[in-house]
Amino acid sequence: GIQVEQSPPDLILQEGANSTLRCNFSDSVNNLQWFHQNPWGQLINLFYIPSGTKQNGRLSATTVATERYSLLYISSSQTTDSGVYFCAVDPLYNQGGKLIFGQGTELSVKP
Amino acid sequence: NAGVMQNPRHLVRRRGQEARLRCSPVKGHSHVYWYRQLPEEGLKFMVYLQKENIIDESGMPKERFSAEFPKEGPSILRIQQVVRGDSAAYFCASSPRQGANGNTIYFGEGSWLTVV
Repeated sequence: GIQVEQSPPDLILQEGANSTLRCNFSDSVNNLQWFHQNPWGQLINLFYIPSGTKQNGRLSATTVATERYSLLYISSSQTTDSGVYFCAVDPLYNQGGKLIFGQGTELSVKP
Repeated sequence: NAGVMQNPRHLVRRRGQEARLRCSPVKGHSHVYWYRQLPEEGLKFMVYLQKENIIDESGMPKERFSAEFPKEGPSILRIQQVVRGDSAAYFCASSPRQGANGNTIYFGEGSWLTVV
């Protein structure tokens, strides 16, 4: 099956710093989503981005489907950005919306 | 995760008891998915349901676990005779159509099951 690999696994930032999280996937996909799981466990949709670039405030994401990777950019990080960031893909060979999740990047933003 | 409602948020069960987790999808969504997140791990797909039908249960353990999505009412994930290894967060998600073909899948806030 498809492999989804995220890097780095852990990241510690000082408040105000910028960061880039990467998601590599091993096969073609219908769908790619980025999620933020906050320290309370809630899973928040960030982006639906099977291709192209999107921006939402301090966050933006780019997916290059032909090269099978996606990037999540966080600018001017805040302590509330802490948590785990997951990339999830719906492989092209799927019949339904069965998302395959990466292992996540755990981000800690220090004040 | 707009509108996917899960309850209970937290559930404690003794070994051997049954756990029932409920999920009401976003209004108008007819596709429901259940995922499990074991401690320190990512989310793993369990089952995909449409109204009254199980479409894909390839991620469900073969024993003790079942899921349904009746014509009326919420989707239910049922775990019989729970064991400590069932302790996890269980997330429900929904989409308006089959998840492929460009549909965002929305997640609920999760149900945390603790087996003591």
